[in-house]
Amino acid sequence: SYELTQPLSVSVALGQTARITCGGNNIGSKNVHWYQQKPGQAPVLVIYRDSNRPSGIPERFSGSNSGNTATLTISRAQAGDEADYYCQVWDSSTDVVFGGGTKLTVL
Amino acid sequence: QVQLVQSGAEVKKPGASVKVSCKASGYTFTGYYMHWVRQAPGQGLEWMGRINPNSGGTNYAQKFQGRVTMTRDTSISTAYMELSRLRSDDTAVYYCAREGGPDYYYMDVWGKGTTVTVSS
Repeated sequence: SYELTQPLSVSVALGQTARITCGGNNIGSKNVHWYQQKPGQAPVLVIYRDSNRPSGIPERFSGSNSGNTATLTISRAQAGDEADYYCQVWDSSTDVVFGGGTKLTVL
Repeated sequence: QVQLVQSGAEVKKPGASVKVSCKASGYTFTGYYMHWVRQAPGQGLEWMGRINPNSGGTNYAQKFQGRVTMTRDTSISTAYMELSRLRSDDTAVYYCAREGGPDYYYMDVWGKGTTVTVSS
């Protein structure tokens, strides 16, 4: 089965750049999607198909995907970006799979 | 606006079944797959499966095969997820989520979630 590995937590200083990684075997060949989830709320799609932003998502959010690692980058981090972030792919052996999630703390 | 409205919280005993509904509005219900994702307390997201509202065709995660049934009623733009033989570890928030495009497998609109508690 296909697995996605995320760091449990990432910290970033206010106004700096946060990078959240998502590791998987040859993940660069797959479409990676990213979700933001704040406490008590449903997830929100922030990046789809590696690097596309849905309408309403700030340009500060960007994504990349190559080799065995996909990355969500949050520029000029704000207090409101504190949340859990999940990566997700589709794989022929596993169907839809989510990473374990990363808690982003803005210091 | 595009919206998914889920049914209310449920409390069930072990061994029982639960059926959660998800009413879509603001878009053509039959034009987008619907996924179901759950989240146990303090845990991550877990995909359960998806349904094609147009054909009724389903794909279930292997973990839930034989216990989950996803259906839809196109006349009222509503999708359903029924989970049977409930156990305490089925206690979770259950979300429906619209797929953003055919076979793209990303979820662009989510319901607010339905809390299901399994307890004797």
